[in-house]
Amino acid sequence: NAGVTQTPKFQVLKTGQSMTLQCAQDMNHEYMSWYRQDPGMGLRLIHYSVGAGITDQGEVPNGYNVSRSTTEDFPLRLLSAAPSQTSVYFCASTTTNTGELFFGEGSRLTVL
Amino acid sequence: DQQVKQNSPSLSVQEGRISILNCDYTNSMFDYFLWYKKYPAEGPTFLISISSIKDKNEDGRFTVFLNKSAKHLSLHIVPSQPGDSAVYFCAASGNTGGFKTIFGAGTRLFVKA
Repeated sequence: NAGVTQTPKFQVLKTGQSMTLQCAQDMNHEYMSWYRQDPGMGLRLIHYSVGAGITDQGEVPNGYNVSRSTTEDFPLRLLSAAPSQTSVYFCASTTTNTGELFFGEGSRLTVL
Repeated sequence: DQQVKQNSPSLSVQEGRISILNCDYTNSMFDYFLWYKKYPAEGPTFLISISSIKDKNEDGRFTVFLNKSAKHLSLHIVPSQPGDSAVYFCAASGNTGGFKTIFGAGTRLFVKA
């Protein structure tokens, strides 16, 4: 049972480059979200989705785009990477019944 | 402005003793609170939760207490074990669903053998 799968696990970018972090879940969860983890800041919500075709902003959405064309996938796009986006990114999914978030293993991004 | 606050960055406890991790929140609209545990190089994993209509929830060695009037919750681990050493995140959401869950900064727990 795969759960939440994130790719890539590691990525190094130069300032101004673009990239997409992929997230897929096989649990048929309606809700998916992206967080970034930074030292002393905990996990901060970037964007979330309550179902296919529906997305909304979290606490720190600037510099990131998302889309949700299917229930399974929720990619996070960085259109022009900045050093401030160096972080560990986590994708998570859940149903409404428990509220428990299921996280992927994380993607470590470094922007030079 | 942080809506969920964990003011202790770290906590060190002797094996077998009680670990108490604290969390404060500011948004009275939160009605579901959760604790997550995170090991290095892994994603956070769910530990225990509590609804705002309760003041206590137990699961084995883990108990969460909620004081709504003080907007404060705590996680008790008894007895603490070396394998409990990890970062613990307090989290809150606005309904029984998990979307738009807001996390605290985390507390790193060290359990000494």
